[in-house]
Amino acid sequence: QKEVEQNSGPLSVPEGAIASLNCTYSDRVSQSFFWYRQYSGKSPELIMSIYSNGDKEDGRFTAQLNKASQYVSLLIRDSQPSDSATYLCAVTGSGYSTLTFGKGTMLLVSP
Amino acid sequence: SAVISQKPSRDICQRGTSLTIQCQVDSQVTMMFWYRQQPGQSLTLIATANQGSEATYESGFVIDKFPISRPNLTFSTLTVSNMSPEDSSIYLCSVQGLAGFYEQYFGPGTRLTVT
Repeated sequence: QKEVEQNSGPLSVPEGAIASLNCTYSDRVSQSFFWYRQYSGKSPELIMSIYSNGDKEDGRFTAQLNKASQYVSLLIRDSQPSDSATYLCAVTGSGYSTLTFGKGTMLLVSP
Repeated sequence: SAVISQKPSRDICQRGTSLTIQCQVDSQVTMMFWYRQQPGQSLTLIATANQGSEATYESGFVIDKFPISRPNLTFSTLTVSNMSPEDSSIYLCSVQGLAGFYEQYFGPGTRLTVT
């Protein structure tokens, strides 16, 4: 049974701070890793993908992957109140198709 | 990026009836998937919609309850059959095979309430 674990939160940070979101996964052969942002009442929106160990930066977002530790994280720099949402970590298995989602971490950014 | 639409956006249905949800994407895609998101929960994969063949269902989901069609590379339907209040959920389609080949993008979802 593939599992993806996230702290449910809420994670509260002040505006301008760095938000750090973490995710662990159980399937050692997982190949692809994704972070989705979901606002209340909306569908998930893909914000980052990462496939190899190390860091990947896109604007204010940085994804970090450590396959040896089965750990993936998302850093949000200069957090804004508009970043307040639930962040979902998703992982594929040995193939590249079917996603297993974590339960999500709620992020609250206060002005 | 592609535009993904779902119909209906929401519906209220009586128990014992069936509802068919449509998913349309404006570009050809390799893979299409159907997920369920129950209130306050994360996403659970129901099945992979295979073009021209039977869908591949995840554990706990069966074809009689959730028949799926995918007649071409841009369209799929999910039917929720013989509904009960436990089927009240958001149903989401996703697509894979656009610019980022392994990345999945979600439609806006269908909010289903069964009374």
